[in-house]
Amino acid sequence: EAGVAQSPRYKIIEKRQSVAFWCNPISGHATLYWYQQILGQGPKLLIQFQNNGVVDDSQLPKDRFSAERLKGVDSTLKIQPAKLEDSAVYLCASSPRTSDSTQYFGPGTRLLVL
Amino acid sequence: AQSVAQPEDQVNVAEGNPLTVKCTYSVSGNPYLFWYVQYPNRGLQFLLKYITGDNLVKGSYGFEAEFNKSQTSFHLKKPSALVSDSALYFCAFPLGGATNKLIFGTGTLLAVQP
Repeated sequence: EAGVAQSPRYKIIEKRQSVAFWCNPISGHATLYWYQQILGQGPKLLIQFQNNGVVDDSQLPKDRFSAERLKGVDSTLKIQPAKLEDSAVYLCASSPRTSDSTQYFGPGTRLLVL
Repeated sequence: AQSVAQPEDQVNVAEGNPLTVKCTYSVSGNPYLFWYVQYPNRGLQFLLKYITGDNLVKGSYGFEAEFNKSQTSFHLKKPSALVSDSALYFCAFPLGGATNKLIFGTGTLLAVQP
């Protein structure tokens, strides 16, 4: 079974530029999560989808971050404009359903904002 | 607020010796608890979880964890450490409700010396 796929793996941009990350969850997994992991900290949830609907985006900085999962499969997370403090690893995870709390993570996208 | 704590930023152990990575929890009700491992430049990998039942949970790569309700702990253990076990370990719990997002500890870096 293929795992969670993410791209790109690494990205370097300058502040105020925009960037987008892509995630393809495990086939058949209805729930998709985007986490932000700042160096030295545990991951923190940015947004959670159940199929193509948003379940929780309370920690998403909506003035600069947006995410979509239009067909209930893959998802895109965008930052526009980026700030220095957005430098982090962005992790995508999926689970079969929200009630199944075991989440399976992709390799992450490491973002450096200069 | 509910949380998990990992009191040690780093644990050093010699190869072949037993290892313990500590986690204590402050979670209401009957907690679900997880351990994830993160190797350098990789995403998080699921190791094991406690849902209910037997307090000793066995997981991947020879790891196990013991749920102790009286001490509110969920320590990760392995009888004989390998150099390849060197990684960052996270304790986590699902918040529950509609979101079920994982709340992570701050992580413990395990260094196994040859």
